Amino acid sequence: DAMVIQNPRYQVTQFGKPVTLSCSQTLNHNVMYWYQQKSSQAPKLLFHYYDKDFNNEADTPDNFQSRRPNTSFCFLDIRSPGLGDAAMYLCATSPPPGLADYEQYFGPGTRLTVT
Amino acid sequence: KNQVEQSPQSLIILEGKNCTLQCNYTVSPFSNLRWYKQDTGRGPVSLTIMTFSENTKSNGRYTATLDADTKQSSLHITASQLSDSASYICVVTAFNDYKLSFGAGTTVTVRA
Repeated sequence: DAMVIQNPRYQVTQFGKPVTLSCSQTLNHNVMYWYQQKSSQAPKLLFHYYDKDFNNEADTPDNFQSRRPNTSFCFLDIRSPGLGDAAMYLCATSPPPGLADYEQYFGPGTRLTVT
Repeated sequence: KNQVEQSPQSLIILEGKNCTLQCNYTVSPFSNLRWYKQDTGRGPVSLTIMTFSENTKSNGRYTATLDADTKQSSLHITASQLSDSASYICVVTAFNDYKLSFGAGTTVTVRA
């Protein structure tokens, strides 16, 4: 089945120690997104790629970076995780917006714990 | 500013009972409205999608309605099951926009 895969599902890192989260997709979608979701809150968009074009949200901290080496894969790098970065990180993919039934397909998420 | 408001914030229902969740939005120009179910510790999963011209959409025991004139939607859960315990999120998309407008979600707890 076509899907969005995130690895690992659970990640524990130490304060200040760089960490990378991975997302892959078999949907061949142009657009990939990274969201941060804290407990009982709506997902917050961090950035997205439209093909190789990177689009950063204005309020995304510099501590968060992303790489998209090819259509299928996208990575979220947190350079120096703080305790406030502990959250669920969701990857999503979509075709280009514009269709009436435009949809983002979400992965299962990676739960990040910072100790 | 595009906004999505959901009510109630949370509710508890007994297994087998029905419930209705509400969503009001101010997203413009409207493209579609989607209800997602998010289990604890999991990513959101789409239940229904409705475009401007649709006013009812069903997916099993889930029925969503849309009133595009009043900018309101509801999600009705029929004959609830324990597995329905989750957060239900209303998400609205503006036309030709990549960004989704999320509601804060309604947490539903189904008790035996």
